[in-house]
Amino acid sequence: RKEVEQDPGPFNVPEGATVAFNCTYSNSASQSFFWYRQDCRKEPKLLMSVYSSGNEDGRFTAQLNRASQYISLLIRDSKLSDSATYLCVVSDRGSTLGRLYFGRGTQLTVWP
Amino acid sequence: GAVVSQHPSRVICKSGTSVKIECRSLDFQATTMFWYRQFPKQSLMLMATSNEGSKATYEQGVEKDKFLINHASLTLSTLTVTSAHPEDSSFYICSASFTLGSPNTEAFFGQGTRLTVV
Repeated sequence: RKEVEQDPGPFNVPEGATVAFNCTYSNSASQSFFWYRQDCRKEPKLLMSVYSSGNEDGRFTAQLNRASQYISLLIRDSKLSDSATYLCVVSDRGSTLGRLYFGRGTQLTVWP
Repeated sequence: GAVVSQHPSRVICKSGTSVKIECRSLDFQATTMFWYRQFPKQSLMLMATSNEGSKATYEQGVEKDKFLINHASLTLSTLTVTSAHPEDSSFYICSASFTLGSPNTEAFFGQGTRLTVV
């Protein structure tokens, strides 16, 4: 079983749409959770950390359910520039100093 | 913010040759760097953890004699793909962590190296 599993995608949505990505992780001892964004042939970049209380950053909302080992990312009012691959990332230590486990990624395409 | 620089960004080499990839932390000292590999439409997979001043820790299934890692200073780690073969063609990317960090410190990635072995 993979450490981190994500929606298979791809997601193709019009501008302005709301889209949600889901992710599950297998290690109950995981401590830190993140969403990264990766553009084609580029390095991943941190989008946001995910906390148990949930957190929001503009149009992006992330949720963590430790009991279900489930992480989500909600994007509201999608923009063309949101087109990318979104990676669910889990760390086995209390910060990204620890080993990172990456999901396969969910590809999002926002069309005009 | 902190920056990790990886070089080269792209390399094409002949089968059987060796390729060296450099990963530098520009604004901070990194005692630990991580090397990942990503095949098309696949997730990043950790290859090894590079520790300054000591031997790298390799993940299961990664040949340490084929993927040589050197972390001789706090700002530089190198990955050498020896006797490269076409199946080694992939996107190689490094990340670095701080010597001192707070919880949920961001991991910084190099720009990645796209290796094509012909």
